[in-house]
Amino acid sequence: DAKTTQPTSMDCAEGRAANLPCNHSTISGNEYVYWYRQIHSQGPQYIIHGLKNNETNEMASLIITEDRKSSTLILPHATLRDTAVYYCIVRVGDTDKLIFGTGTRLQVFP
Amino acid sequence: ETGVTQSPTHLIKTRGQQVTLRCSSQSGHNTVSWYQQALGQGPQFIFQYYREEENGRGNFPPRFSGLQFPNYSSELNVNALELDDSALYLCASSAGLAGLQETQYFGPGTRLLVL
Repeated sequence: DAKTTQPTSMDCAEGRAANLPCNHSTISGNEYVYWYRQIHSQGPQYIIHGLKNNETNEMASLIITEDRKSSTLILPHATLRDTAVYYCIVRVGDTDKLIFGTGTRLQVFP
Repeated sequence: ETGVTQSPTHLIKTRGQQVTLRCSSQSGHNTVSWYQQALGQGPQFIFQYYREEENGRGNFPPRFSGLQFPNYSSELNVNALELDDSALYLCASSAGLAGLQETQYFGPGTRLLVL
């Protein structure tokens, strides 16, 4: 299973964009990149996913590099409620399990 | 449309006992996955059920077992509880055929403490 590398923690000022990087240098052609977040002791919340193209939804944008070896999750205007652990997951196309790492702890401050 | 629900929210057991955790999948979803999350760690995949059949299993011993019912709700059973089984147990449901890319939506979890 492909592995991901994320920084352990990041800070962001409220109202600013939060850019969360993820390295997945061993990703294969049929593997999707998924992002979830987990607010303290709650179940993980789905944010966004993509394969090759950049994606945007009401929560965030996902930028995947052309070689697909890294990606960035962008929260355009971070709020205090975005404080959470963010998980970047590479998901193999023919399996249905998610392999979580330890994620990035994002702290949004006033 | 209702989301994924789990019961109970919290549970305390003693070592050697057995426990059953329950999950109701999101409306329209036929696949349920179970994860264990120890304190400070990311969730670890236990197993998945698709249309009442086990469809993949992680690195967990046989004392972790499950069921999926015709209404696609699911149970996780753990026998002979050990102290290390203390964790947040998460259920996630998804729609469509097993093996295809379908987004998993998680419930709030059941926090199990084994004394």
